[in-house]
Amino acid sequence: GQNIDQPTEMTATEGAIVQINCTYQTSGFNGLFWYQQHAGEAPTFLSYNVLDGLEEKGRFSSFLSRSKGYSYLLLKELQMKDSASYLCAVRWAGGKLIFGQGTELSVKP
Amino acid sequence: AAGVIQSPRHLIKEKRETATLKCYPIPRHDTVYWYQQGPGQDPQFLISFYEKMQSDKGSIPDRFSAQQFSDYHSELNMSSLELGDSALYFCASTPRGVGGGYTFGSGTRLTVV
Repeated sequence: GQNIDQPTEMTATEGAIVQINCTYQTSGFNGLFWYQQHAGEAPTFLSYNVLDGLEEKGRFSSFLSRSKGYSYLLLKELQMKDSASYLCAVRWAGGKLIFGQGTELSVKP
Repeated sequence: AAGVIQSPRHLIKEKRETATLKCYPIPRHDTVYWYQQGPGQDPQFLISFYEKMQSDKGSIPDRFSAQQFSDYHSELNMSSLELGDSALYFCASTPRGVGGGYTFGSGTRLTVV
């Protein structure tokens, strides 16, 4: 089965660093994705991890530990435009993505 | 660069009517996924197609059907619409066998009144 958990909401200050955690239990793991979604818009791809370790892309980094069923998304130098929902998604056997419920991030001045 | 095109962007239907949503994947992407996202919900997988054949099925009601055509575009047909069908419907495409690379369309917002 699949069970993906992430915090419902987080608040951080502009210029700060925030870490959004995601834990998963899935029997057919085939990679983990992070997406950013603004209200009413399509999810936008941020990162992909299939092997353990850290992937860095500019202000965004994502970490994966397959043995622990754990990932995090790290956002640095937060900007107001980073206020959005952040979705953790596990790629399941067969290719479909199963999403967590999303973390609503609010960036305050 | 070409993206995933969905049409229409917005659709308003009455209960018990039918609706057809269309998705045009990125060129050379042979796999299409449909997702439904209700207000404040995460996207829920509905159905997927690979090379014009259904490859997986999720929580798609029997009132819904979908297919992928020879040009790889896909259509989601929804009949006997209910108020609860009001949601954003996203289509995503990917080339098969390539890690990463799911690209989502802008979605169709369906409102059933």
